[in-house]
Amino acid sequence: NAGVTQTPKFRVLKTGQSMTLLCAQDMNHEYMYWYRQDPGMGLRLIHYSVGEGTTAKGEVPDGYNVSRLKKQNFLLGLESAAPSQTSVYFCASSPGGGSNQPQHFGDGTRLSIL
Amino acid sequence: LAKTTQPISMDSYEGQEVNITCSHNNIATNDYITWYQQFPSQGPRFIIQGYKTKVTNEVASLFIPADRKSSTLSLPRVSLSDTAVYYCLVGEHARDKIIFGKGTRLHILP
Repeated sequence: NAGVTQTPKFRVLKTGQSMTLLCAQDMNHEYMYWYRQDPGMGLRLIHYSVGEGTTAKGEVPDGYNVSRLKKQNFLLGLESAAPSQTSVYFCASSPGGGSNQPQHFGDGTRLSIL
Repeated sequence: LAKTTQPISMDSYEGQEVNITCSHNNIATNDYITWYQQFPSQGPRFIIQGYKTKVTNEVASLFIPADRKSSTLSLPRVSLSDTAVYYCLVGEHARDKIIFGKGTRLHILP
């Protein structure tokens, strides 16, 4: 079982460039999430989705866009990358949104913006 | 938003039992308490979850007092490989926009 797969694992961008991070899950989960984690910090929620075709803002949504066209995929886009977006990005999914629904995480994408 | 408070860091030795306590004074009636473990360069991994009293699995035990305002993760006979960051979370992901705080950085010494 693959679980949650993130693509790519590493990427270096120049300021102003755009890119899309892909998250795929094979567990038929309804909820999906994008987080960022900066050195020595916890995870901060960027955007999330409660089902196919829906998205919502998390704690730190500025500078990012997301799409959930298919249930199994959740895309995170950076339209114009900035050095402040250098971080490790984690995708997660859960069967539902209740507090008894643990999240399953991918192994992260390390993104550096020069 | 159900916030949690846990120690920033802890040290212990191999073979000892480690207890990490988390405070969640404004936990809602329907909220479960969930603990995750994160190793360097990996995403967090679910360890254990509970609602009240005690829950035990092959990895850890979770103790929850009757008032549910705190919980204690217990790791029996830790090894070097248990060195990680441990997060305590309470609440519903979407409703509360669950925030992973800094967690507790556990360092196991030989």
